[in-house]
Amino acid sequence: GAVVSQHPSWVICKSGTSVKIECRSLDFQATTMFWYRQFPKQSLMLMATSNEGSKATYEQGVEKDKFLINHASLTLSTLTVTSAHPEDSSFYICSARSGSGTGELFFGEGSRLTVL
Amino acid sequence: EDQVTQSPEALRLQEGESSSLNCSYTVSGLRGLFWYRQDPGKGPEFLFTLYSAGEEKEKERLKATLTKKESFLHITAPKPEDSATYLCAVTPGGKLIFGQGTELSVKP
Repeated sequence: GAVVSQHPSWVICKSGTSVKIECRSLDFQATTMFWYRQFPKQSLMLMATSNEGSKATYEQGVEKDKFLINHASLTLSTLTVTSAHPEDSSFYICSARSGSGTGELFFGEGSRLTVL
Repeated sequence: EDQVTQSPEALRLQEGESSSLNCSYTVSGLRGLFWYRQDPGKGPEFLFTLYSAGEEKEKERLKATLTKKESFLHITAPKPEDSATYLCAVTPGGKLIFGQGTELSVKP
């Protein structure tokens, strides 16, 4: 199946610093990628939809200035957590759709962020 | 409002004990229902997509079915390696809306 790669898989940072997480579709082009956040024992919550070459669409309640998303190419989307604080600690997962419309959505392995 | 509810929240089975997981949904125009498996600390792994009521798909010990209001994931003679959280998601088009998942534990 299609492969989506995330990097880094885990990161620890100090409060106030910014962290960038990369999401790459390795064997297909993805005009749309999605960023999710998952707290322990909870399901995935959609944060934003990343569109190649245009601005991301954020879900209600997600701070655009806190979570910067860039989708510069058909195979790469990045999520930058700016001025991170301990409450931003979470598991962040990206996904990309293979094909158009309602094709299968493949997920990356996730990135565990811990803010001290 | 589009919504997905999974039950039970947790399920403990003995190896070989077949069972079913439920996913109930309300969505304005279903364009697809997805099942994923998620292991701890990992991203979800795609299992099935169902598009219309009456559709069924199988993969090894798993079988997914779909009606107009719900989907079932049947697990036949499960093994310990089937232990994971199973997520159901629906799409009215574009983004996925996830249920809270069912945590399955299969004991030898």
